[in-house]
This record gives sequence, structure tokens and C-alpha cells, in this order.
Amino acid sequence: QKEVEQNSGPLSVPEGAIASLNCTYSDRGSQSFFWYRQYSGKSPELIMSIYSNGDKEDGRFTAQLNKASQYVSLLIRDSQPSDSATYLCAVNMLSSASKIIFGSGTRLSIRP
Amino acid sequence: GAVVSQHPSRVICKSGTSVKIECRSLDFQATTMFWYRQFPKQSLMLMATSNEGSKATYEQGVEKDKFLINHASLTLSTLTVTSAHPEDSSFYICSTTIRDNRSPLHFGNGTRLTVT
Repeated sequence: QKEVEQNSGPLSVPEGAIASLNCTYSDRGSQSFFWYRQYSGKSPELIMSIYSNGDKEDGRFTAQLNKASQYVSLLIRDSQPSDSATYLCAVNMLSSASKIIFGSGTRLSIRP
Repeated sequence: GAVVSQHPSRVICKSGTSVKIECRSLDFQATTMFWYRQFPKQSLMLMATSNEGSKATYEQGVEKDKFLINHASLTLSTLTVTSAHPEDSSFYICSTTIRDNRSPLHFGNGTRLTVT
């Protein structure tokens, strides 16, 4: 099992709809979880951090964490064409000396 | 604003030459910096952890003699790709955290290395 798993996509969502991105992780003791957005040819930029079970909202973005299920998700409301990018899930893995491990990313495409 | 400054953003070099990439923390002291590499359509792979004043810690499979890391000051870490080969062509990105291990990584803009 990969340490951090994401569907590679592409995930195609119509403009204005909700995009839902999912991520699972293997280390049950992980405490810190992050979502990054990466445009083609650019470095990742941080969208959300989440540390506790439940939902965390920031503008059009909502991160959801369920530690019992080892699952973290990102919802993007009112999707815009500018949201088209690869979304990387990252987890601070205690089992890996607290290194931040990245999933392979989900490519999201918002169609006008 | 930017947390980390990385340059050059793009470099093309000939096979067998060495390339140095610099990463600077802006307005804070970074005792630890992380160097990642990303091949096309793949995720970020941690290469090494750079610690100020001590030797870098390399991930399994990363040749320490090929990828030289120096972290001589609290604001500067450098990665030198020695005797570069075409297979070293990749996107190299440095990153650091502002506070502690629980904090997210902030990335430099990355360096696109092409070895001909």
C-alpha cells in the first residue's frame, strides 16, 4: 500500500459545480494533513492545512479529515476554470520520521 | 508573500557539467530545508533534508556524492548536481517550514534542469 494514495484522474467537473478530491493514508498516527495545488510547470502552493477530525472551510475550499478511516478530502465549491490543476495531498508521517509525504496528485479539469 | 526564493528557475547544461541551485529563506531563519525532485506527470519525491551546520540526510536511492547539499547559513541551502546526465533532467524544488514539523511546507518556485 502506498503511504499516501490519490486517484490520478483526470477528474472533469462542470464550471460552477462542486469538485471532490479524495486521499487516503497509511500511517494511523499521522497528525498533519495538507492540500496543495500545482499548475503545470509550477511549484506547489498550499491551499489548506487540517489537523483535527471534521471540516475546515476557507472560502470556496473545505477540507475534511477522518482519522479513524485514514481519509482526507478537499471540496471545491463553485468550481472555476482557474481551479484546473493537479491537487496534491500531503501527510506528515510519524512513521517516516515526520517527513511530509505527497500523494501522486489528482488532475482536475473544470469545463466551461 | 514568498517565503522561499529559489534560483535559477531554469537551466540548461551539457552532460558532465555541474549545476548549483540556491534556495533562500526570506525574512526568517530556516534550520531545515527539504529538496524535492519531480519528473513529468509524477509526484514530488523527497531527495534529502538539509540541516544548517550539519550533514544533509539523504533518502534511500539518492546518491549523496552526486547531489551535494550545503546548508552553511540559516537562510541559504544549495543543491549541486555534479556530473549531470540527461536522466538528471527534472524539476527540483526546495521547501521549508516556518515553525515546526507540524507546519506545512512552503516551496520555492523550482528549477527546471535540462541536461543535453
